[in-house]
Amino acid sequence: DAGITQSPRHKVTETGTPVTLRCHQTENHRYMYWYRQDPGHGLRLIHYSYGVKDTDKGEVSDGYSVSRSKTEDFLLTLESATSSQTSVYFCAISEGGGTSHNSPLHFGNGTRLTVT
Amino acid sequence: SQKIEQNSEALNIQEGKTATLTCNYTNYSPAYLQWYRQDPGRGPVFLLLIRENEKEKRKERLKVTFDTTLKQSLFHITASQPADSATYLCALDQAGTALIFGKGTTLSVSS
Repeated sequence: DAGITQSPRHKVTETGTPVTLRCHQTENHRYMYWYRQDPGHGLRLIHYSYGVKDTDKGEVSDGYSVSRSKTEDFLLTLESATSSQTSVYFCAISEGGGTSHNSPLHFGNGTRLTVT
Repeated sequence: SQKIEQNSEALNIQEGKTATLTCNYTNYSPAYLQWYRQDPGRGPVFLLLIRENEKEKRKERLKVTFDTTLKQSLFHITASQPADSATYLCALDQAGTALIFGKGTTLSVSS
């Protein structure tokens, strides 16, 4: 498996609280991504990063922010969690250091977040 | 609007048969298309990548075709086994920045 770790694996939180999910890689890849996966919607891109301090929005970025201060870590923050953000969150990295479209993605095993 | 559609949510076949999964897209012009496998509780795992100028790609029992005229990719698993049971996702690039995924087809292979 590619060296990619997500933490925590499971989290239950209350509406209105801030939540931070962490993605850590040991592959030194430039590109990192956050997706969420929901029944009926499949995987949807939240934010991605193309380098330290370089990030961009994806399809469903509202209510989320990201930070990348080191190559190996990509953090996803829910500023004020809502029930609609209950989901499984996946981090991914681009193999080969290129952009994702011509390089496969390696995924972590996800964080299951429940907002009550 | 842009859409990626995988032909059905679920596909059931018998062991030894060939499974064929379909991925159709509209209002995209991808240069690449990828297929992933996802098992319950795990992240997707990359299987195959095919470029727009490639008609077909093979890897062991897997075969992918890519028809840019029909805007369709077919994913075949020959001599299917119960261990092939999983959800299969197609994905294509959008404007060279990130992968967009279909909702997936869940394949069940019975012995």
